[in-house]
Amino acid sequence: GAVVSQHPSWVICKSGTSVKIECRSLDFQATTMFWYRQFPKQSLMLMATSNEGSKATYEQGVEKDKFLINHASLTLSTLTVTSAHPEDSSFYICSASGVRQPQHFGDGTRLSIL
Amino acid sequence: GENVEQHPSTLSVQEGDSAVIKCTYSDSASNYFPWYKQELGKGPQLIIDIRSNVGEKKDQRIAVTLNKTAKHFSLHITETQPEDSAVYFCAASGTGNQFYFGTGTSLTVIP
Repeated sequence: GAVVSQHPSWVICKSGTSVKIECRSLDFQATTMFWYRQFPKQSLMLMATSNEGSKATYEQGVEKDKFLINHASLTLSTLTVTSAHPEDSSFYICSASGVRQPQHFGDGTRLSIL
Repeated sequence: GENVEQHPSTLSVQEGDSAVIKCTYSDSASNYFPWYKQELGKGPQLIIDIRSNVGEKKDQRIAVTLNKTAKHFSLHITETQPEDSAVYFCAASGTGNQFYFGTGTSLTVIP
């Protein structure tokens, strides 16, 4: 089946650091990529949708200057959490969809800000 | 917009028994309904999906049923095994790519 690779799987860093998370679709062209945030024992909260080559569309309440999304190619999207603070600690998950491909999820990135 | 509700939030069954998880949706334009299984510390994995032109779909021990009139769909797992223990999410999608997720069901299969 389709594979989406997300990296890193776990990152711990100091408050004020910027963290970049990569999401790659390994065997199909991802015309659309999604970024979600998930709190413990809760559902996935969509943060933003990005189409290749265009600006991301952010959900209400998500700060686009805080969560920078780049979708420069059909196989790679990145999420950068700028100047991260403890309240940004969470599980971030990307997914990718393409032509005749439903959303396939990465394994998530656990972000811990000290 | 679309609103997806999922029940129950937790479910415990004995190994070998069946498990049923139900979801309802509000937007009649939704036409694609996937189910995802999420294990601890991992991303959701697609386990089965159904489109609105089909009423039922089965894949070995897993089946999904869809009632478009009532706007509800269900996941059925038969002969449950301990490795089926996970959190299951339903989702609904319409003409756009966006998925609307249910709140999840934590399934525990007791050996």
